[in-house]
Amino acid sequence: GQQLNQSPQSMFIQEGEDVSMNCTSSSIFNTWLWYKQDPGEGPVLLIALYKAGELTSNGRLTAQFGITRKDSFLNISASIPSDVGIYFCAGQDTQGGSEKLVFGKGMKLTVNP
Amino acid sequence: NAGVTQTPKFRILKIGQSMTLQCTQDMNHNYMYWYRQDPGMGLKLIYYSVGAGITDKGEVPNGYNVSRSTTEDFPLRLELAAPSQTSVYFCASSSPYGGLNTEAFFGQGTRLTVV
Repeated sequence: GQQLNQSPQSMFIQEGEDVSMNCTSSSIFNTWLWYKQDPGEGPVLLIALYKAGELTSNGRLTAQFGITRKDSFLNISASIPSDVGIYFCAGQDTQGGSEKLVFGKGMKLTVNP
Repeated sequence: NAGVTQTPKFRILKIGQSMTLQCTQDMNHNYMYWYRQDPGMGLKLIYYSVGAGITDKGEVPNGYNVSRSTTEDFPLRLELAAPSQTSVYFCASSSPYGGLNTEAFFGQGTRLTVV
């Protein structure tokens, strides 16, 4: 089945620092999604990417859909304490025509004030 | 729209008991998913459905059953609860329009403890 490798698994940063995380896939995706999960809540969509090479921003967040369609990254600039949470990447599985979403294992972000 | 609604929010089961986790969505999405999330871990796909009457196993289906009789509802059934099923369960739905706009929306989760 599809495999998504998300890295790093966790990060500890100081408030105001930038943070980057990425996901790579063993095969091609035609959609990449980035989610954030606050403690005790369900994941919430941050950014959706639909075209190879696409670069999309949402406030302090920037994400890119890799040219090879096998990777994506998410950057958070000028981090603040409320950025704490788990960040998940997700890709649309195009093999077999099922189009189900595949999730990475998540990156736990801690922001020290 | 209420989005994806899961009930109950919390539940404690004894070993061997059974229960159904309810999930309903009002967005007319054809895809629905059940995930479990163990403490400090990522999401593992249990079952998914691409439309009413169609279900498929995910990564960790053992010990669970699902049904999809309507577009809106996708209940998850635990027949003989085991401590290994202690987890937080998330239901999600999505609707790929010709391969685009596949954002999945999640419910708030059901925290299940089996003792």
